[in-house]
Amino acid sequence: QSVLTQPPSVSAAPGQEVTISCSGSSSNVGNNYVSWYQQFPGTAPKLLIYDNNKRPSGIPDRFSGSKSGTSATLGITGLQTGDEADYYCGTWDSSLSAVVFGGGTKLTVL
Amino acid sequence: EVQLLESGGGLVQPGESLRLSCSASGLTFADYAMCWVRQAPGKGLEWVLGISNGGATTYSADSVKGRFTISRDNIKDMLYLQMNSLRADDTAIYYCVKARGSNIAVPDFDYWGQGTLVTVSS
Repeated sequence: QSVLTQPPSVSAAPGQEVTISCSGSSSNVGNNYVSWYQQFPGTAPKLLIYDNNKRPSGIPDRFSGSKSGTSATLGITGLQTGDEADYYCGTWDSSLSAVVFGGGTKLTVL
Repeated sequence: EVQLLESGGGLVQPGESLRLSCSASGLTFADYAMCWVRQAPGKGLEWVLGISNGGATTYSADSVKGRFTISRDNIKDMLYLQMNSLRADDTAIYYCVKARGSNIAVPDFDYWGQGTLVTVSS
């Protein structure tokens, strides 16, 4: 059971928009920065969003992050089949003194 | 170009020990916090341990506390994971991961190694 809760799967059609939620508590999401990662099968995760809503260089602006209270959201617009991957949120948990990840969300682009 | 190269994975029996190494290049290694993240087959990401840029501060997940330790050599640009009393549920790909800054408590992990597989089985 992950400390951060993500939906196991989401799906949408090419060109559409999708959001992935990451729910936590005041000890993690509520008071610390959230990052998001994309992982394709058999490869290492890749940083998509850091500090709640910042994109590393090279990440297209189709990807966005936001946070409100104890929930964070990853948004992806203009979906492409190449976006099919697993997505994870992560943050620091001040009570555990540990990094925590969500259980991951599998995105299917129909 | 930043590169992180893990080594040391393999098959071990329950109760045995193993040491993973991660060689870093293309960065000023001593400037950044580092950590180990693992992923069991078909499962999600699990953070294991982190270490501050200077090595003075470390944190670990409860699942490995007292069994695993993290260390670094900022002269050799190396990160290590010493794993003792290994259990079947420690079976996973172990990734060497770099943080964007020096603070473990800001887990923006911008570079990941390719991972090394550790299998614990009799």
